[in-house]
Amino acid sequence: QQQVKQSPQSLIVQKGGISIINCAYENTAFDYFPWYQQFPGKGPALLIAIRPDVSEKKEGRFTISFNKSAKQFSLHIMDSQPGDSATYFCAAGQGTYKYIFGTGTRLKVLA
Amino acid sequence: DTGVSQNPRHKITKRGQNVTFRCDPISEHNRLYWYRQTLGQGPEFLTYFQNEAQLEKSRLLSDRFSAERPKGSFSTLEIQRTEQGDSAMYLCASSFTDSGNEKLFFGSGTQLSVL
Repeated sequence: QQQVKQSPQSLIVQKGGISIINCAYENTAFDYFPWYQQFPGKGPALLIAIRPDVSEKKEGRFTISFNKSAKQFSLHIMDSQPGDSATYFCAAGQGTYKYIFGTGTRLKVLA
Repeated sequence: DTGVSQNPRHKITKRGQNVTFRCDPISEHNRLYWYRQTLGQGPEFLTYFQNEAQLEKSRLLSDRFSAERPKGSFSTLEIQRTEQGDSAMYLCASSFTDSGNEKLFFGSGTQLSVL
């Protein structure tokens, strides 16, 4: 019940395309859903986050879509750029520190 | 640099040796966390400090692991009698509270290889 399932494991997108990464959770008590971006040799960096009282949040080219009834949320990267090539992790938490992370999606954006 | 700082960046040790890692959090953050990340996986929670108090430890943190945060500033994570299964990236994070939720800021990690 504490798992966060993330897909796909890897993704290749052409420059300018849309990258979509999906996550699903089971614990309905989760109330905070951040996405992290990680470059090789670096720690994860907070990208964008959403709470379940909204269905969508947009920050620049990054959008989170949230479906509370389906217990799913997704990250959309519009106009994907080669600099976006990284590993992306979704996570879920219950207003606390102990986030459960997904297994990651390795994104490669082709120039 | 005002981010979370971790030292060393890399550590290679022989099985059975003890190792110690250091984390310097963002100065205004009073919460500090240790996570472990293995290849192809997301970070897994190990332990958490509120100021100098260690408030929770994961079952992943066996008795060979000990973490301290004297004076509520920097923290150390020690692994005694290292095993090959301890090989991983050890991440430190600090946080501030934003509308009831913790925003975690991670350091670049210490990559441990146990031979």
